[in-house]
Amino acid sequence: DTAVSQTPKYLVTQMGNDKSIKCEQNLGHDTMYWYKQDSKKFLKIMFSYNNKELIINETVPNRFSPKSPDKAHLNLHINSLELGDSAVYFCASSRRGGEPQYFGPGTRLLVL
Amino acid sequence: RKEVEQDPGPFNVPEGATVAFNCTYSNSASQSFFWYRQDCRKEPKLLMSVYSSGNEDGRFTAQLNRASQYISLLIRDSKLSDSATYLCVVKSGNTGKLIFGQGTTLQVKP
Repeated sequence: DTAVSQTPKYLVTQMGNDKSIKCEQNLGHDTMYWYKQDSKKFLKIMFSYNNKELIINETVPNRFSPKSPDKAHLNLHINSLELGDSAVYFCASSRRGGEPQYFGPGTRLLVL
Repeated sequence: RKEVEQDPGPFNVPEGATVAFNCTYSNSASQSFFWYRQDCRKEPKLLMSVYSSGNEDGRFTAQLNRASQYISLLIRDSKLSDSATYLCVVKSGNTGKLIFGQGTTLQVKP
């Protein structure tokens, strides 16, 4: 059984488009996260939700809007995509904040 | 200065070798420490937590030196399957925010 799943796995789109990435975890965890891994391989946290409540919001352009309909799901919507948004986006979850995190397989976004 | 620094490598070692990676962190108030492993084009996976007294899991040993603010990972008897990028991870504050190092790439050769 997949613990943390993301869709889609690959996303190729044009500049200016709007796209969404979905994440679901079946681990019963309370906290979920979005990370961005750029071409230099740095993993940077973008957002964190605890039980549907936003608790971490890093310096991310407001074109990025997370939504957590319930504690098992955390989606990421991106408006007006730019070339610099090309990266791998990982969703993760943990039992609670500060505990080890479990990652989804990643969504590889390429903006042309 | 980056909050978590690692030598990116690559470290090229023969099978059976012992290899050690170090990682330094800048925030002395950091609370928890982990090593993650990331294979090429895959997600990071938790390898082990790092405890103050040091801990061992099979061929892997993790050590923490709070005074010098560094963490180490020792891999004994390297296997080909150990080839991956090893990420040093530090938790700062109470929000559960994890800071990831750039990673150290290990290539184990036959």
